[in-house]
Amino acid sequence: GDSVTQMEGPVTLSEEACLTINCTYTATGYPSLFWYVQYPGEGLQLLLKATKADDKGSNKGFEATYRKETTSFHLEKGSVQVSDSAVYFCALSRPINTDKLIFGTGTRLQVFP
Amino acid sequence: GAGVSQSPSNKVTEKGKDVELRCDPISGHTALYWYRQSLGQGLEFLIYFQGNSAPDKSGLPSDRFSAERTGGSVSTLTIQRTQQEDSAVYLCASSFFTGFQETQYFGPGTRLLVL
Repeated sequence: GDSVTQMEGPVTLSEEACLTINCTYTATGYPSLFWYVQYPGEGLQLLLKATKADDKGSNKGFEATYRKETTSFHLEKGSVQVSDSAVYFCALSRPINTDKLIFGTGTRLQVFP
Repeated sequence: GAGVSQSPSNKVTEKGKDVELRCDPISGHTALYWYRQSLGQGLEFLIYFQGNSAPDKSGLPSDRFSAERTGGSVSTLTIQRTQQEDSAVYLCASSFFTGFQETQYFGPGTRLLVL
């Protein structure tokens, strides 16, 4: 079945460091790919998405490129801030029957000043 | 505008009791989803409603779990004879339905603790 695998955390960085959170997926066809973020004490929010191969999603300085050849959707940011500390979830959905989201296990990011 | 709302925000119950969790989707959203977030299982899909179509119940973990959506809006997730392994955060999400991958907007969740 479809699945998402993302790197385990926590990821601990100093402010202004570069961030990469790896995400790979298994799915037949052409899923859409998402990154959701959960800030402390808050609900899940969509961070960015890409719906076809080679698309780049971007938001708040974060980027991720849909790579079909490597079945990956790695999240990157050039310079993290303390306010980026959160749990990040990679997810996919397929346009068959439902758009239910299949999530990875989440990666906790901790940024220290 | 108002987002997805869920109630109660927290629920503590005793093993064996029934609980009802409520979700109010964003107005105009015809698709509604329930997910569960637990330490052992991560984020997992439970059930999906779209308009008047039969719901997709493929993610419900047992027949103790059921959900309904009245009038195409509010949804209630019911867990009968709760067990300690039901302890989790239950998340509701809603979206437009266009046949494409529309963004799902999540509510704040209901944190359920079964003693």
